[in-house]
Amino acid sequence: GESVGLHLPTLSVQEGDNSIINCAYSNSASDYFIWYKQESGKGPQFIIDIRSNMDKRQGQRVTVLLNKTVKHLSLQIAATQPGDSAVYFCAENIGGGTSYGKLTFGQGTILTVHP
Amino acid sequence: DAGVTQSPTHLIKTRGQQVTLRCSPKSGHDTVSWYQQALGQGPQFIFQYYEEEERQRGNFPDRFSGHQFPNYSSELNVNALLLGDSALYLCASDRFGQTKEEQYFGPGTRLTVT
Repeated sequence: GESVGLHLPTLSVQEGDNSIINCAYSNSASDYFIWYKQESGKGPQFIIDIRSNMDKRQGQRVTVLLNKTVKHLSLQIAATQPGDSAVYFCAENIGGGTSYGKLTFGQGTILTVHP
Repeated sequence: DAGVTQSPTHLIKTRGQQVTLRCSPKSGHDTVSWYQQALGQGPQFIFQYYEEEERQRGNFPDRFSGHQFPNYSSELNVNALLLGDSALYLCASDRFGQTKEEQYFGPGTRLTVT
C-alpha cells in the first residue's frame, strides 16, 4: 500500500546550523515528492518538490535529495533560522494526471531552532 | 492576489449533526482538494474536484461529500458527525495543466464535534 514515513519525529538545532529532515516512502510508483512546512495555526506551505527522474533539487537555502534505490527522501535546510521552526511534512504523489491530485503525507517532523 | 480561503475558521457541532465547509481556490486555479488533519498527524486526502466532478477519492466514508461550483469554489459536507471527525479540514488548490504545479493550502477550518 501507500505510505510515507519519517525517521525522526523531532529535531532540535542551533541557529546557523544545517538541518536534515528524513523521510521514507514505500510506493515505487510515486512520481512526485513534495516537502511542506506547517506553522502553528496555518495550512501547509509548499517548500520544494522533486520528480522521480531527478535525485537532487535545490531551492533557496533548501535542497531535496531523492534516493529511489532505498526509497528515501531528505530535506536539507542551510543556515537554519528561528523562523524555520515548524512541522515539516514530506508527501508523495502518485499519478493524478497533471494536477497533484492525491497527496499522501507522512506524520511530520517537528523542527525547533534555538537562538 | 488572494490565496486559498476557507470558511468558517472554527466550528463546533454535536454528534449526528451535519456540517458544510467552504473553500475558494487561489486565483487562476481550477482544481480543489480536501484533506483532513487530525491533531499531531499529517493531512489525509479526502477527495479532489475538477470541472465540477469528483476525480479522486481517499479512504473516507460516503458521509463525506463535496461539490464544486462553476467559479471553482468548493464545499465539503459531512453528515452524521462522529467525535472522530474532529480535525482541521484543509482545502488545497492548483491548476490542471501540462505540468504539475505547486498545490496551495488554505489555513483550514477547525471542526470540533462534541
